[in-house]
Amino acid sequence: DGGITQSPKYLFRKEGQNVTLSCEQNLNHDAMYWYRQDPGQGLRLIYYSQIVNDFQKGDIAEGYSVSREKKESFPLTVTSAQKNPTAFYLCASSSSGGPYEQYFGPGTRLTVT
Amino acid sequence: SQELEQSPQSLIVQEGKNLTINCTSSKTLYGLYWYKQKYGEGLIFLMMLQKGGEEKSHEKITAKLDEKKQQSSLHITASQPSHAGIYLCGAPPGNAGNMLTFGGGTRLMVKP
Repeated sequence: DGGITQSPKYLFRKEGQNVTLSCEQNLNHDAMYWYRQDPGQGLRLIYYSQIVNDFQKGDIAEGYSVSREKKESFPLTVTSAQKNPTAFYLCASSSSGGPYEQYFGPGTRLTVT
Repeated sequence: SQELEQSPQSLIVQEGKNLTINCTSSKTLYGLYWYKQKYGEGLIFLMMLQKGGEEKSHEKITAKLDEKKQQSSLHITASQPSHAGIYLCGAPPGNAGNMLTFGGGTRLMVKP
């Protein structure tokens, strides 16, 4: 079945540690996205990539980094520089040639203490 | 930048009742996407509206796009407990491309 997988579902880290969230898709989509969702709020864009080996900052990129070495994979690293990393993180992908609906993974809930 | 405001922010309805959720944009809408999210899960794509006046239905959910009002509405007929969740609207910030800006979501509870 085609889709997007994110792992792990739950992640716990100590403050000051970097952590990498995995996102894999087998939909053959060129574009991939990372969003952050805080309780009771909508989605905020962290980073996006329209093509392999290229990515751009979204609205809240500070304290995060990404890579896009393969079309199927778009891992997100939450660094120790991110002041409030505890949140629900969602990965999505879409076609770059239309239609443009984004397909989402199940999310990773990160808790930093 | 474009902002999407959803109303109401939360809604509790009795099973069997109809309800409407609105999504209003601060700028011209070039399309509108509706998603549903169960708590702690990813977003499920519901419908995409591309043209002013367009209306789409899926089962008991109908969405309309009013380009002049820069608004979209999502209407659920005869609500069921399975309709409970968070509904989010998303829209492209311009008339091209695949980026989306999302509204803050409407949390729906359906009382049996």
